[in-house]
Amino acid sequence: AQSVTQLDSHVSVSEGTPVLLRCNYSSSYSPSLFWYVQHPNKGLQLLLKYTSAATLVKGINGFEAEFKKSETSFHLTKPSAHMSDAAEYFCVVSHPGGGNKLTFGTGTQLKVEL
Amino acid sequence: NAGVTQTPKFRILKIGQSMTLQCTQDMNHNYMYWYRQDPGMGLKLIYYSVGAGITDKGEVPNGYNVSRSTTEDFPLRLELAAPSQTSVYFCATSPTVARETQYFGPGTRLLVL
Repeated sequence: AQSVTQLDSHVSVSEGTPVLLRCNYSSSYSPSLFWYVQHPNKGLQLLLKYTSAATLVKGINGFEAEFKKSETSFHLTKPSAHMSDAAEYFCVVSHPGGGNKLTFGTGTQLKVEL
Repeated sequence: NAGVTQTPKFRILKIGQSMTLQCTQDMNHNYMYWYRQDPGMGLKLIYYSVGAGITDKGEVPNGYNVSRSTTEDFPLRLELAAPSQTSVYFCATSPTVARETQYFGPGTRLLVL
């Protein structure tokens, strides 16, 4: 079975400092992994995805994530946080087989302070 | 090109009432999904559809029904609303390609009292 664990439910950073949101996955096959962002009272937006090409994936708004098979991790990073980055972030793993079904982590709430 | 639209945005139901949450897409995607999001939790899959006339259960289907008569529409039906169905509901679509991105609607917030 596929699963993801987001290691921090809340992360707080100062504006201009680096962001690290941690995600570990479990999968019985070579997975596709995604990070989605949800701003308050909004739908989910794709930040980036890994689908077995380059292990370092660049996404929108300066975010990137590195797929590390040996550590079963897919951590999300950004060099310098901006106030507009404050949101909830979900690490997501795909299911094998038909339907493109996804399993979501429980989310990490990112707070950015002045 | 509106993408994925959901109506209503917000609804209050009394216990035992029924309602239909609407989801429409103009992206010509075959795959469609319904999720619910409870506070502090990730999204849970309720039902999904791989094409018109084909639906299947997800992780938490109890208390819900779906139908898919067209590519564009995928309504979610609550027959006997219960307080446990208070949640935010998201519809999503995906192209018919393995490991593809899902595109989400803005959500429907439902409160059952």
